[in-house]
Amino acid sequence: DADVTQTPRNRITKTGKRIMLECSQTKGHDRMYWYRQDPGLGLRLIYYSFDVKDINKGEISDGYSVSRQAQAKFSLSLESAIPNQTALYFCATSDEAGNGELFFGEGSRLTVL
Amino acid sequence: AQRVTQPEKLLSVFKGAPVELKCNYSYSGSPELFWYVQYSRQRLQLLLRHISRESIKGFTADLNKGETSFHLKKPFAQEEDSAMYYCALRTSGTYKYIFGTGTRLKVLA
Repeated sequence: DADVTQTPRNRITKTGKRIMLECSQTKGHDRMYWYRQDPGLGLRLIYYSFDVKDINKGEISDGYSVSRQAQAKFSLSLESAIPNQTALYFCATSDEAGNGELFFGEGSRLTVL
Repeated sequence: AQRVTQPEKLLSVFKGAPVELKCNYSYSGSPELFWYVQYSRQRLQLLLRHISRESIKGFTADLNKGETSFHLKKPFAQEEDSAMYYCALRTSGTYKYIFGTGTRLKVLA
């Protein structure tokens, strides 16, 4: 089984719809991150969380919200999706005491029409 | 401002040729630099980190604080090195990871 699992893997939705992307991990890591990947722009940090009670905004948090339901789960929501939120979204985890390595999910491809 | 710059979007080299993927950073604190790689149909994964000073799959990278660079090098490229490469900076204290825009490496037969 994968250590970092994202659902759904692919989603097509319409402008104005609410969308939730979910991430769960079995690595026991405290730190979790959401990134979006766009061609030519690389990976940009949306939100990150260092434990259940700690949520922080990243570079591009506008239009997004997150929920850390448990140590193992970190969800990303788009309350009212818009076309420029079409992207590949990655969840990642890291170990606080570790060497700085990020462990990534396989990505969730979101298309907003 | 914290920033990671990878000037090349695409780098094509022939098999056996040397490879250098450029990375420059802007950060006022003490940087931790990483290279991540994404092979076709695989997850992003760590290739190497500056603090380890190791060679992975023949790749090395040296942190040059004077030039604020962390270029990735390999003396002889292999076809299996074809992938997307991202340079990343981890900030001290906040432990955010900031990625560059990535360089796609194509190794031609």
